Amino acid sequence: DAGVIQSPRHEVTEMGQEVTLRCKPISGHNSLFWYRQTMMRGLELLIYFNNNVPIDDSGMPEDRFSAKMPNASFSTLKIQPSEPRDSAVYFCASSLRTLDTEAFFGQGTRLTVV
Amino acid sequence: KNQVEQSPQSLIILEGKNCTLQCNYTVSPFSNLRWYKQDTGRGPVSLTIMTFSENTKSNGRYTATLDADTKQSSLHITASQLSDSASYICVVPFSGGYNKLIFGAGTRLAVHP
Repeated sequence: DAGVIQSPRHEVTEMGQEVTLRCKPISGHNSLFWYRQTMMRGLELLIYFNNNVPIDDSGMPEDRFSAKMPNASFSTLKIQPSEPRDSAVYFCASSLRTLDTEAFFGQGTRLTVV
Repeated sequence: KNQVEQSPQSLIILEGKNCTLQCNYTVSPFSNLRWYKQDTGRGPVSLTIMTFSENTKSNGRYTATLDADTKQSSLHITASQLSDSASYICVVPFSGGYNKLIFGAGTRLAVHP
């Protein structure tokens, strides 16, 4: 398995534009997580899906952020409109549901909003 | 409040030397503790997962310890190599019914030749 695949690896966009980040989890995993990492705040959970259903989106910073998981092999995180403070590295991770299992992270998408 | 605190924030050691990273947590209820290694520009990769009943677990040159009574863990790196330069993140799942991870801020380790 190629692991968790994220695209794009890097994204530079202007303030106000829509940004869509993509994630393909590991086949067979039924939990998917979107995280944001910044120097100031470290890794923060944005939203968690289980069996394609959003379970906890309390970490989504505001209504400009939305996430979908239309099927077990694909998820998107959308920011509309984007702002400079959204600049960060966004990670997608997947795992089996049980607490004792490992979460596997993608390579991340480095987003820069200018 | 569920928190994970790590020390030191950063560390510089010479190649071949040993080092120990610390993690204190207040996450409750507790199920397991994980150490992740994050190379620059890459996603975190799991080094080890320690459950409540485990005190010590090794993965090559990495040895993790867990004291569930004092809620402390350590990661010991033996005979460090240049490739060990990375951030090491202590992670504890919040047992709120799903795999929600509470992350420490990490220790940034630099191994110099």
